[in-house]
Amino acid sequence: ETGVTQTPRHLVMGMTNKKSLKCEQHLGHNAMYWYKQSAKKPLELMFVYSLEERVENNSVPSRFSPECPNSSHLFLHLHTLQPEDSALYLCASSQGQGPLMNTEAFFGQGTRLTVV
Amino acid sequence: AQSVTQPDIHITVSEGASLELRCNYSYGATPYLFWYVQSPGQGLQLLLKYFSGDTLVQGIKGFEAEFKRSQSSFNLRKPSVHWSDAAEYFCAVGARSSGAGSYQLTFGKGTKLSVIP
Repeated sequence: ETGVTQTPRHLVMGMTNKKSLKCEQHLGHNAMYWYKQSAKKPLELMFVYSLEERVENNSVPSRFSPECPNSSHLFLHLHTLQPEDSALYLCASSQGQGPLMNTEAFFGQGTRLTVV
Repeated sequence: AQSVTQPDIHITVSEGASLELRCNYSYGATPYLFWYVQSPGQGLQLLLKYFSGDTLVQGIKGFEAEFKRSQSSFNLRKPSVHWSDAAEYFCAVGARSSGAGSYQLTFGKGTKLSVIP
């Protein structure tokens, strides 16, 4: 496989469930991102990891917990979500984390999450 | 902080007609600018980017965009639209979130393009 792969593509979960979203990149990049895409709203950056260290947490509720075990994998652990958390969650990767590096981001196809 | 405005939520054009999607940004320095396209149920694919140099940039699928610093704009154009171009288009600016913050993309709300056969 090449590019950025996200699993699962679709997920329905209850508010008391615990689930995880997985992202894997095969591009040799060293920065990874989680974005949330809700209807009629701009893409919202949630987390940034650079060299496996979290460098950004955009005021995301603690019911979302990211994990980056290595430069190729990124997880988003979910627990006690709310219906308003239903959205498309997009993972992206890039080479480098700064204006002197190649800042083009490559995106996965996303996980469509529905919280019931 | 940087921001991106795409004033057109939805545009409909006939196949073969020309297209221009508008994008205005707000950023204190020279921005890095991007256009992405998203087909239904898919992730985002990069169409083109501007970092520096020639202000008219060519992208994939016959798209181009022109950076106009005086207007803080980065409009996307295509001379002849194909039915397969129907999708949602996002303009983005790349910049640091704050003085020492991480480098990130800030996206506009997107413009949905419909193509009439």
